[in-house]
Amino acid sequence: DAKTTQPNSMESNEEEPVHLPCNHSTISGTDYIHWYRQLPSQGPEYVIHGLTSNVNNRMASLAIAEDRKSSTLILHRATLRDAAVYYCILGGTSYGKLTFGQGTILTVHP
Amino acid sequence: NAGVMQNPRHLVRRRGQEARLRCSPMKGHSHVYWYRQLPEEGLKFMVYLQKENIIDESGMPKERFSAEFPKEGPSILRIQQVVRGDSAAYFCASSDSVGGNIQYFGAGTRLSVL
Repeated sequence: DAKTTQPNSMESNEEEPVHLPCNHSTISGTDYIHWYRQLPSQGPEYVIHGLTSNVNNRMASLAIAEDRKSSTLILHRATLRDAAVYYCILGGTSYGKLTFGQGTILTVHP
Repeated sequence: NAGVMQNPRHLVRRRGQEARLRCSPMKGHSHVYWYRQLPEEGLKFMVYLQKENIIDESGMPKERFSAEFPKEGPSILRIQQVVRGDSAAYFCASSDSVGGNIQYFGAGTRLSVL
C-alpha cells in the first residue's frame, strides 16, 4: 500500500480555517485520496475523497497538488466538534480495506 | 436510514471465554469490514466480507478469530478463548455496491478481558 505522511498534531482556534496536510509521494495513478476522521470514543467518519481535482462538500474541501504527491484537507471554520484524529488514506474505488496511519490529532481551542 | 449498528457497545469477558460481536450494516450495503483498535494504537484492518463470502482476511489473527456474514442476519466477529491482549475497540464498517470505497462505521464494541 502506498504510504501517507501526516503531522502528529495540529492546533487551531475556533472559527478559524484549518489546513491539514498529507504527503503521499508514492501515490499511484489510480489511487484516490480519502480522508476520514475519528472523534473521541467514536468510530471513524468519512469526510471527503478525490482523485485529481479539488473537491468540496458540506464538511470540508480537499485540495490536491498538481503532481498528486500531496493534498490538504481544509476545514473552513473550525468548531470544537471538529477536534478529532484526521486520517489521510490512499485507495482505489474498488472495495477493500482501508489502511489507517497514525493520523493528525487536531485540537481546537475556544 | 439507520447507520451501522454494532452490539453490544461494551463487552466484558474473562480469559478463556468466547466473545461474539455483532454488526448490522446500513440498509442496502452488502460489504462489511471489521477493524480493531488496540489501546493507544491505530485502526487495523481485520477482515472484509460480502454476503456469505470472506473476501480478504489478511488482517485476521490465524487462531481463535473468525468472521461470518450470513445471507440473513448480522455479521458476526467471534473470538474464542479470549486473552487480555484481545482487549480493544472493534469497529465494523459497511459500504454499498455503487459508492465506491466509502465506508460507514459503527460506534464500535469495546471488549475488556479480565
